[in-house]
Amino acid sequence: GAVVSQHPSRVICKSGTSVKIECRSLDFQATTMFWYRQFPKQSLMLMATSNEGSKATYEQGVEKDKFLINHASLTLSTLTVTSAHPEDSSFYICSARDDGGDTQYFGPGTRLTVL
Amino acid sequence: AQSVTQLGSHVSVSEGALVLLRCNYSSSVPPYLFWYVQYPNQGLQLLLKYTSAATLVKGINGFEAEFKKSETSFHLTKPSAHMSDAAEYFCAVSDGSSASKIIFGSGTRLSIRP
Repeated sequence: GAVVSQHPSRVICKSGTSVKIECRSLDFQATTMFWYRQFPKQSLMLMATSNEGSKATYEQGVEKDKFLINHASLTLSTLTVTSAHPEDSSFYICSARDDGGDTQYFGPGTRLTVL
Repeated sequence: AQSVTQLGSHVSVSEGALVLLRCNYSSSVPPYLFWYVQYPNQGLQLLLKYTSAATLVKGINGFEAEFKKSETSFHLTKPSAHMSDAAEYFCAVSDGSSASKIIFGSGTRLSIRP
């Protein structure tokens, strides 16, 4: 089956530093990937749609300069949280849509804690 | 615009009992509908999906859901609950286009009583 990986699974950083999270589709190509964040006991909120070779599309209220997305290949998208602050602490989940298919496959998530 | 509403943030059933998790959707186009399960500190696993074919959809782990257009519902059921079914369940909708985003419901936490 289709597998999506995320790295790291857990990261703790100091306030003001930047953190990069990788999302990879391991056995399929994904022109489109999605980034979500999930606060404790809440649902997933879409942050942005990542398109290979072009700029990401951000949802309303998401700061594009703070959450940098790069989708440089058909199997890799990265999310960089710049100048992280404690309020950015959350569970970040990516998903990848199989090209030509209609299903999104989700990664295992990355737990970010900003001290 | 599309949306889903999950009725009941927490459902508790006895082991062996019927599981029923409710989901209603709103969509201006024929929807694609999904149920995902999330275990603590993990990502989401697809249970089943409806993509305009058969209205009764069978998924993994004995779950199934029925698409009812007249009721705009896509409720998730399982005849007999197992302890391992305890998790968070999310109903979701998309418009099915090639780059469509998925809109998630608020989630329902399923607890299983021994």
